[in-house]
Amino acid sequence: AQSVTQLGSHVSVSEGALVLLRCNYSSSVPPYLFWYVQYPNQGLQLLLKYTTGATLVKGINGFEAEFKKSETSFHLTKPSAHMSDAAEYFCAVRGSQGNLIFGKGTKLSVKP
Amino acid sequence: DVKVTQSSRYLVKRTGEKVFLECVQDMDHENMFWYRQDPGLGLRLIYFSYDVKMKEKGDIPEGYSVSREKKERFSLILESASTNQTSMYLCASSNRDRLVKSNQPQHFGDGTRLSIL
Repeated sequence: AQSVTQLGSHVSVSEGALVLLRCNYSSSVPPYLFWYVQYPNQGLQLLLKYTTGATLVKGINGFEAEFKKSETSFHLTKPSAHMSDAAEYFCAVRGSQGNLIFGKGTKLSVKP
Repeated sequence: DVKVTQSSRYLVKRTGEKVFLECVQDMDHENMFWYRQDPGLGLRLIYFSYDVKMKEKGDIPEGYSVSREKKERFSLILESASTNQTSMYLCASSNRDRLVKSNQPQHFGDGTRLSIL
C-alpha cells in the first residue's frame, strides 16, 4: 500500500529565502509522485510530477523536486520565495487503482 | 486547458436533506474522482469512476453515493446529510490510467464548500 507523509504542517520563510517542503513516501511499487499547490478558495493545481527518468524534476513557478529512492523522499524546493508562493502544498503518490494518495498538506507562509 | 467545473462554490443545507454535488469536465477524461478536504487531514478519496456507469469506493464512502450517467459528468450524492459532512469537496478528472505505470495527473475543480446545519 502507498502512503505519504509531509513533515511540518506549517512552514514560514522570509521573502527571498529558500523554500524546502518535505515529503516522504511509502510504496510497494515504483512510485509516481506529484506536488500540488492550493491557493485560498481554489482547487489544486499541479506543480510537478515524477514518473521515471531524471530524478530532479522542474515544475512551474520556479519549483523543483528531487526523487531520492534511498531516502524514499520527494522534497519540494524553490531557491527564493515570493509573497505569491504563500499557499498550501500537497505531496501525493499514485495508488494502485489510479487514484492519488495525498499527504496532509503543508501551509507555506512568506514574510516580507 | 482542462476545465473541471463544480456547480456550486458554496452550499448550505440542513441535516437530513438529500444533497447533490455536480462536476463536469470538458476534456473527455475517462477517470473522475471525488475527494473531501478537511483541515489537518488533507484530501481523502470518497468515490471514483473509470467509465460511464462504473464506480469504485474510495477510503471514506460511507454516507455518500455517486452517479455517472455521462462521461463528462460525475455527481456526488449525500443521501441524508449530517453535520459531520460539512467540508470542502473537490472533484478531479484524468485520462485513462488504470495501469500503475501511467503518469496522467489529475485536474481539479475549484471545490464546493458545503455546510450542513
